[in-house]
Amino acid sequence: GQNIDQPTEMTATEGAIVQINCTYQTSGFNGLFWYQQHAGEAPTFLSYNVLDGLEEKGRFSSFLSRSKGYSYLLLKELQMKDSASYLCAVRGRAGTALIFGKGTTLSVSS
Amino acid sequence: EPEVTQTPSHQVTQMGQEVILRCVPISNHLYFYWYRQILGQKVEFLVSFYNNEISEKSEIFDDQFSVERPDGSNFTLKIRSTKLEDSAMYFCASSGTPNTEAFFGQGTRLTVV
Repeated sequence: GQNIDQPTEMTATEGAIVQINCTYQTSGFNGLFWYQQHAGEAPTFLSYNVLDGLEEKGRFSSFLSRSKGYSYLLLKELQMKDSASYLCAVRGRAGTALIFGKGTTLSVSS
Repeated sequence: EPEVTQTPSHQVTQMGQEVILRCVPISNHLYFYWYRQILGQKVEFLVSFYNNEISEKSEIFDDQFSVERPDGSNFTLKIRSTKLEDSAMYFCASSGTPNTEAFFGQGTRLTVV
């Protein structure tokens, strides 16, 4: 089976840095993905990690430790528009579909 | 920028009726997926499709569901005899290879009354 855990909610202020954690237990591992989803909209792809370490993409970075079954998404210089759900998704075996966690709802206030 | 398009954006149907949700994946993509998201819940995998056949399906994808690629551009999800609990947002997604990110369409909100 597969299990993906994320905090349900987080809050932060504009300009701050926030780290959203994700832990997973899967049969096989072929990549971890982060998506952003605004209310009522589709998930949009943010980042992808398949090897250990940090991937940086502008204000967003994602980290992976395969031995710990752990990832985080780091958002810097937060803006109001970053208020959304952040979804952690894992591909277990190569060629299989992404399985999503429940998502973390981030609220950014001024 | 290429995108996945879905129609209709919103569908209301009576319980027991059949519905067909339509998707046009990104044109050079070969791997197609349907997901659903019940209001307030997580995105759930339904089925993946490659080379004109189902490559993987979840336990949600039972006999009331079917998928088809009727021509070179469309990818459809059919739900026979809809139930109240089928009310959800249905997302189509596609990817260029089996191990890269999937790109999602804007979804069809299905309401069964």
